[in-house]
Amino acid sequence: QQQVKQSPQSLIVQKGGISIINCAYENTAFDYFPWYQQFPGKGPALLIAIRPDVSEKKEGRFTISFNKSAKQFSLHIMDSQPGDSATYFCAAIQPQGAQKLVFGQGTRLTINP
Amino acid sequence: GAGVSQTPSNKVTEKGKYVELRCDPISGHTALYWYRQSLGQGPEFLIYFQGTGAADDSGLPNDRFFAVRPEGSVSTLKIQRTERGDSAVYLCASSSYQGPEAFFGQGTRLTVV
Repeated sequence: QQQVKQSPQSLIVQKGGISIINCAYENTAFDYFPWYQQFPGKGPALLIAIRPDVSEKKEGRFTISFNKSAKQFSLHIMDSQPGDSATYFCAAIQPQGAQKLVFGQGTRLTINP
Repeated sequence: GAGVSQTPSNKVTEKGKYVELRCDPISGHTALYWYRQSLGQGPEFLIYFQGTGAADDSGLPNDRFFAVRPEGSVSTLKIQRTERGDSAVYLCASSSYQGPEAFFGQGTRLTVV
């Protein structure tokens, strides 16, 4: 059972455009939602994260939008650059116990120059 | 160290052999996680240590997999009688007691031939 569903699987955006990646979750006990960026041959790197008590969080060109009632959240990358080309993973954490990450399937983002 | 360090970066082993993968977490981080990432997929949780003890090993696929963290710092993931299906990137992450943010190493790519 996939607890966090991510779409699209791949995305191509022109330089300067807006990249949008969507995630949906099932477990209402999740209370922390990070996004990770992964380059080939590297481990995932924390990009930005949000808690469900806010609807939006912005850090530079990266924004998370969160819809608690719909159990959905999304990553927006403004003014996308070729250096943003990577695989992006959404994830979720439960507050109790191990606080282990449950990842989405990933989105391979390509920014064309 | 400045980040999570994993060794080796790559490991090729023959089916049936025993392997050990090492993780050196960020200094002072009490929580340590192992994840496994198959090609084109998000990382999947294997095991969680808080200090020296394995607090949650629910993600280990079977009893061929074992992990230790004897002094509460460095951890070793051990795989016995390796199978071709064990081929994946094994990721280690650590976090402090102060927050859920997990920081990943670059991973060990295990190939079983």
